[in-house]
Amino acid sequence: QVTLKESGPVLVKPTETLTLTCTVSGFSLRNARMGVSWIRQSPGKALEWLAHIFSNDEKSYSTSLKSRLTISKDTSKSQVVLTMTNMDPVDTATYYCARMGDSSSDFDYWGQGTLVTVSS
Amino acid sequence: SYVLTQPPSVSVAPGQTARITCGGNNIGSNSVHWYQQKPGQAPMLVVYDDSARPSGIPEQFSGSNSGNTATLTISRVEAGDEADYYCQVWDNSGDHHVVFGGGTKLTVL
Repeated sequence: QVTLKESGPVLVKPTETLTLTCTVSGFSLRNARMGVSWIRQSPGKALEWLAHIFSNDEKSYSTSLKSRLTISKDTSKSQVVLTMTNMDPVDTATYYCARMGDSSSDFDYWGQGTLVTVSS
Repeated sequence: SYVLTQPPSVSVAPGQTARITCGGNNIGSNSVHWYQQKPGQAPMLVVYDDSARPSGIPEQFSGSNSGNTATLTISRVEAGDEADYYCQVWDNSGDHHVVFGGGTKLTVL
């Protein structure tokens, strides 16, 4: 059974760095062509893709947020980590991690999401 | 960067057919995926690779993609289909990026 679960702080202060962890089970981050993305959704707004990490450790970032994002993975722990620097209230959102399977570019499994509020 | 355009809202009576469009430059050359999101829940894949259905998704959900428009079709709409729907592609032009449409709120009258 494939599952993904996000964890991290519920509240961060402006200018702080956010670190989120996605712990996966039911598949290996070593699987060829399989990757994990981070996607966020501000309250009442659309989905916004942030970053993706491939099984070969290649990374891709949203152009608009690239300077603030770092994605990495620890295969032994089955975890994908996202850091976002210089947090601002506009970054308040539910953050999801999602798996991109090995046969296509869709996200076949999603975590439940974690709401992060940015406020002083 | 690549842009996907969806209508903000679509309304349909129960039992009728809903069509949600996703516009993009030559989108027909991309594989398009569709997600359903109900309030308070994570998105769920309902159609992938333009027209394929994941296991467990009913046949009432179908998709097509040609030219500059992809379409998600929901037949025999039920109250339980009321949700937000998002299209998504993997943009291989230049950097490898994921792109989502702005979402469409489906209202069942």
